[in-house]
Amino acid sequence: ETGVTQTPRHLVMGMTNKKSLKCEQHLGHNAMYWYKQSAKKPLELMFVYSLEERVENNSVPSRFSPECPNSSHLFLHLHTLQPEDSALYLCASSQDRWGSNEKLFFGSGTQLSVL
Amino acid sequence: LAKTTQPISMDSYEGQEVNITCSHNNIATNDYITWYQQFPSQGPRFIIQGYKTKVTNEVASLFIPADRKSSTLSLPRVSLSDTAVYYCLVGEDTGRRALTFGSGTRLQVQP
Repeated sequence: ETGVTQTPRHLVMGMTNKKSLKCEQHLGHNAMYWYKQSAKKPLELMFVYSLEERVENNSVPSRFSPECPNSSHLFLHLHTLQPEDSALYLCASSQDRWGSNEKLFFGSGTQLSVL
Repeated sequence: LAKTTQPISMDSYEGQEVNITCSHNNIATNDYITWYQQFPSQGPRFIIQGYKTKVTNEVASLFIPADRKSSTLSLPRVSLSDTAVYYCLVGEDTGRRALTFGSGTRLQVQP
C-alpha cells in the first residue's frame, strides 16, 4: 500500500462516453501528477499539480481534463477519447514539486480501454 | 539535460546478485539518483535514492562512484518476484527530470 489510491481499477468506455478517473493520496503531499503508460512504452508525464495549481501540461489533448480540488484529490476527466488513448493511467504524489531528491509515490493505476 | 542510459534487459537466476548500471554522464552537482521498480499493470515503486558513495536499505544497495557519472543498483539474491522493470532517474534543481522515466531495464529472473 503506497498511500495513493486510484479508482476505478479498470475502465472500458466508448468514444462518445464521458468518464472520470479519481486519485486520492493519504500522505500529506503537496504535489500530484498524472502519467500515461501505453503498452511497451515509457511513462509519459501528462499533468503536474502543486498545491492544487496546475503547473505543467505536457501538450496533452483537450479531451483529457484534470481537476485538483484540494491537495489530496486529483481527477482526470475523459471525453470523446480515441482508441489510441487506451493505456494505464497512473497517479502519483510527492512531498513537493521541486527538488531533485523528490520521491514519487504511485497508485496502482486505471487500465483504460477505449472501444 | 542529464540523460540516463540503462541496458534494455537483463536475465538472472534465483539466488544470484544482480547489478544494473545506469549511465548519467551529464549529471549536475545537485542531482540525486533515484531508482524505481515496476511490475506489470502497476505503478512504479521507489526502491532507493543516493547522491554519492553507497546507500543500502532492506531492498537494495546503490553504488555511486566519485565522478557520479554512473550508478549501479545491486539486488542481492534475487527471487522470481524481482522480475520487473527497473528505472533510473536523475533529478535536477527544477525537479523536472526527477519526473521523467526512460525505458528502464527489464529484469527477468529464472528459477
